[in-house]
Amino acid sequence: AQTVTQSQPEMSVQEAETVTLSCTYDTSENNYYLFWYKQPPSRQMILVIRQEAYKQQNATENRFSVNFQKAAKSFSLKISDSQLGDTAMYFCAFIPFNDYKLSFGAGTTVTVRA
Amino acid sequence: DGGITQSPKYLFRKEGQNVTLSCEQNLNHDAMYWYRQDPGQGLRLIYYSQIVNDFQKGDIAEGYSVSREKKESFPLTVTSAQKNPTAFYLCASSSRGWPQHFGDGTRLSIL
Repeated sequence: AQTVTQSQPEMSVQEAETVTLSCTYDTSENNYYLFWYKQPPSRQMILVIRQEAYKQQNATENRFSVNFQKAAKSFSLKISDSQLGDTAMYFCAFIPFNDYKLSFGAGTTVTVRA
Repeated sequence: DGGITQSPKYLFRKEGQNVTLSCEQNLNHDAMYWYRQDPGQGLRLIYYSQIVNDFQKGDIAEGYSVSREKKESFPLTVTSAQKNPTAFYLCASSSRGWPQHFGDGTRLSIL
C-alpha cells in the first residue's frame, strides 16, 4: 500500500514571496506519477503539476515547480511570487504506473497575505 | 467542452432517506471515483470503478452504494445506513495512470 505524508497542516506567506510545501511518500513501486492538486475556497480540485518518476528533470508550470528526490521519496512544491489567488488547500498525490487508484496526502492549507 | 458534471450542487437528506448523487463525464475515461471530504480534511475514497459493470470499495464504503451501467455515468447513493452523511462529495474520472479530473462537487446536508 502507498502512503502520502504532508507534514505541514498550514502555511502562511506574504504576497510576492516564495513558499515550499513538503510531501513524502512510501512505495515499493519503481514507476509511478506524482501530482500536486490545488483546492481553493470554491472547493474545485485543480491539477497544478505532474511529475513522472522516470524523469529526472523537475517539472515546472509557470510559478509552480517541484523538487523531486526519488531516492528520498520526496516531492516538494515551490510556489514563487505568491499571489492572493494561490490561497488554497494543496494536496500531494501518488499513483503507480498503469494503476487507477490515487493516494492523497492530508493536505496543506496555504494562506497568502496581502 | 469535455468535463465532469455533478448534480445537484446542494442536497438535503431527511433521516432514514436514501439520496443519489449524479456524476456524468464526457471525457471517455475508463475509471471513475467518488470521494468524501469533511471540513478542513483531505479526500477519502468511497468507491471507484475501472470499467463498466465493475466497481471496488474504497476506504469508507460503508453506507454507500454505486452502479456503473454506462461508461459515462457513476451515480452514488448515500443510504440511511450512513449515519453521518453531511460532507462534500467529489466525483472524478481518469484514464489509467493519468491525473484525475474532478467535478465541482455536491454538498450534502441533513435536515
